[in-house]
Amino acid sequence: NAGVMQNPRHLVRRRGQEARLRCSPMKGHSHVYWYRQLPEEGLKFMVYLQKENIIDESGMPKERFSAEFPKEGPSILRIQQVVRGDSAAYFCASSPQPGPSSGNTIYFGEGSWLTVV
Amino acid sequence: AQKITQTQPGMFVQEKEAVTLDCTYDTSDQSYGLFWYKQPSSGEMIFLIYQGSYDEQNATEGRYSLNFQKARKSANLVISASQLGDSAMYFCAMDSSYKLIFGSGTRLLVRP
Repeated sequence: NAGVMQNPRHLVRRRGQEARLRCSPMKGHSHVYWYRQLPEEGLKFMVYLQKENIIDESGMPKERFSAEFPKEGPSILRIQQVVRGDSAAYFCASSPQPGPSSGNTIYFGEGSWLTVV
Repeated sequence: AQKITQTQPGMFVQEKEAVTLDCTYDTSDQSYGLFWYKQPSSGEMIFLIYQGSYDEQNATEGRYSLNFQKARKSANLVISASQLGDSAMYFCAMDSSYKLIFGSGTRLLVRP
């Protein structure tokens, strides 16, 4: 029973390049969330997606960031023209119902660490 | 707007002793949930314990218990009989619709 799978675990990009982070939710989960953790900070919500739909992207920076969750395949968080300030850990989570309704109903992946040099 | 405050950036505790990590929250919702997560140096987020706002009893999970004081809007995590493996960052969080709002975390170091 695989958990939430994220890849790559570590990614190094030069300024101006594109970063693509992938997330495969747990089996049977159709709700996916992306969070960002800057160094020495807590996680900050970025976006909530269901299959083929963006439900809430209120935490996404207005430019350069996009997310998708296609009908087939993993959810992708895409960062174009990366800058040093994008260096962070990006966590994906999934749930069988919308949101962490109670207890351990939202499951986090192990995170993807992006370093921009 | 919902907010989580963790006022202890770092804490030390002696192995085998108990430690309390503070968490206060602010919300206008009547129904909400409070969570604690552990983040070891390897980076993953490990769910520890959950407390619903209408739960009458404080939540417990093994060596973890949540001291929930609704009137004071506090949800402190108590770890009993600390172990070296408890050294990690600890995050308090609250649900807001389908999101989790996280505090800034407390770094716990367990001394042998």
